[in-house]
Amino acid sequence: AQSVTQLGSHVSVSEGALVLLRCNYSSSVPPYLFWYVQYPNQGLQLLLKYTTGATLVKGINGFEAEFKKSETSFHLTKPSAHMSDAAEYFCAVAKGSQGNLIFGKGTKLSVKP
Amino acid sequence: EAGVVQSPRYKIIEKKQPVAFWCNPISGHNTLYWYLQNLGQGPELLIRYENEEAVDDSQLPKDRFSAERLKGVDSTLKIQPAELGDSAVYLCASSPDRGNTEAFFGQGTRLTVV
Repeated sequence: AQSVTQLGSHVSVSEGALVLLRCNYSSSVPPYLFWYVQYPNQGLQLLLKYTTGATLVKGINGFEAEFKKSETSFHLTKPSAHMSDAAEYFCAVAKGSQGNLIFGKGTKLSVKP
Repeated sequence: EAGVVQSPRYKIIEKKQPVAFWCNPISGHNTLYWYLQNLGQGPELLIRYENEEAVDDSQLPKDRFSAERLKGVDSTLKIQPAELGDSAVYLCASSPDRGNTEAFFGQGTRLTVV
């Protein structure tokens, strides 16, 4: 069975600082991995995804994530935080291209001026 | 291109009353999902449609929840009767085809049962 663990329900950074949101997954087959962002009272928007190929994936708004099979991790990073990055971030895993998305519990990112 | 449209955005009902949510997916998307998002949690799949066929409804509480996707386009999710614990956000999402796991989400319907 697939599962996702997001370490830290709440992360706070200063504007301009590095953003690091942690995600570890469990999967019985090669996983497809996703990061979604959710702004207040909005649906989820895809930031980036890993399916196959290059393990460093670049997404929208300057975010990127690296698939590390040996560590079963897919951490999300951004070199310099903006105030507009404040939102909730969800990591998700799927069993290949046919599987349903299994979401983590989310990490709320706060950005201090 | 229009995104996934859900209505209503907010709904307040008394317990034991029925409620229905409506979803219009992105044009051409054959796969449609309904997710439940409790406060402080990630979305959890309720049901997945491929065209008009429900291919995964294992997490749908069938004693009170029902869903339909007539003609393989719009979908409705119904709860009857609603319970206090059903208060949550109900998200609809769609994908272009069975082989594409990327889901595009609507804004959700926030249900409050009092």
